Amino acid sequence: GQSLEQPSEVTAVEGAIVQINCTYQTSGFYGLSWYQQHDGGAPTFLSYNALDGLEETGRFSSFLSRSDSYGYLLLQELQMKDSASYFCAVSSNYQLIWGAGTKLIIKP
Amino acid sequence: DAGVTQSPTHLIKTRGQQVTLRCSPKSGHDTVSWYQQALGQGPQFIFQYYEEEERQRGNFPDRFSGHQFPNYSSELNVNALLLGDSALYLCASSRSAEDNEQYFGPGTRLTVT
Repeated sequence: GQSLEQPSEVTAVEGAIVQINCTYQTSGFYGLSWYQQHDGGAPTFLSYNALDGLEETGRFSSFLSRSDSYGYLLLQELQMKDSASYFCAVSSNYQLIWGAGTKLIIKP
Repeated sequence: DAGVTQSPTHLIKTRGQQVTLRCSPKSGHDTVSWYQQALGQGPQFIFQYYEEEERQRGNFPDRFSGHQFPNYSSELNVNALLLGDSALYLCASSRSAEDNEQYFGPGTRLTVT
């Protein structure tokens, strides 16, 4: 079968750094995406990793290790507006398979 | 530049009825994917349309069907509605079938009573 695992909830302090991990088990793996979704909103694309290594986009970075079937999203200089759910999703056979999401709670 | 639009925003139906949801992709996008998102869960892939053909399908019964029109807009049809079909239905578009960046619409909240 195909599955993704990520923590259900992570709490951090404003200005800090937080890492959200994702492990996956799937066939036909093409890449790992990350999406942000605020309550009541639509998912918004953050990043995509097809190759091993770290991709940096502003305050957000994403990492992939294909050999370990593992990736993470790193959020730096946390702001209150970053409070949202974060989903990892695997591209496999022309479809996106999503994790259950990690709710990020940011405290002042 | 209009993003992905969906209609209606909310919908209430009765068990056994049929529903049609509509999606217009972002300008310049030719590929549309549909997802079902239950409360507190990640989106579940229903199917993807490209060049008016269903390119890939997730693990959903035949009660779920779709269509893509020449202008790339798309419809999702669900027949014989069940209580468990209550969810947020999301449409996403991308520049091509190979593009990994998907743009999502605001969704249609379907409630089946």
